[in-house]
Amino acid sequence: EDQVTQSPEALRLQEGESSSLNCSYTVSGLRGLFWYRQDPGKGPEFLFTLYSAGEEKEKERLKATLTKKESFLHITAPKPEDSATYLCAVQARGTGNQFYFGTGTSLTVIP
Amino acid sequence: DSGVTQTPKHLITATGQRVTLRCSPRSGDLSVYWYQQSLDQGLQFLIQYYNGEERAKGNILERFSAQQFPDLHSELNLSSLELGDSALYFCASSTGSHNSPLHFGNGTRLTVT
Repeated sequence: EDQVTQSPEALRLQEGESSSLNCSYTVSGLRGLFWYRQDPGKGPEFLFTLYSAGEEKEKERLKATLTKKESFLHITAPKPEDSATYLCAVQARGTGNQFYFGTGTSLTVIP
Repeated sequence: DSGVTQTPKHLITATGQRVTLRCSPRSGDLSVYWYQQSLDQGLQFLIQYYNGEERAKGNILERFSAQQFPDLHSELNLSSLELGDSALYFCASSTGSHNSPLHFGNGTRLTVT
């Protein structure tokens, strides 16, 4: 069964304290892995797509990486405005275009 | 702005009632997905349409139904509402091509009293 697990569930960082969020996945064949940011009461905002192991994508203080079993979202020198829930989703081969979402990591950055 | 429009933003109704949620996808997107997000829970996939046809069903209750119209907008109908149906309902759209990401609207917050 295709599964996506995110850890930790919640993370509190001091402003400027870098860290990483983890997304582990079990799929029969990965078509793509997607990272989203969700603010309270809003829809998830698309950040990155990763397609194959070894791929990396960057946007401002965020960098996403992908291996054969997991993805990391590295946050460098975070600011309070980076506080949000970060979701990952995978799209697997043989499932049409279905997306399987993790339950997210709630990030709080303290000034 | 994702380009996906959902209306209404908020809906308050009583148990047993029926409501319709509306979604307009991004220009050019053919596929529409509906998700439910309850308090402190993840996104639960409900149903997917592609160019007017149902493509996949997730954990959608029999009391819920949806359709996608020729102009590609979609509606999610929720009937015989229960307290437990209170949640955020999101619509997302994509081109429908493999690897194409989902783009989400800002949701409809449904409160059943």
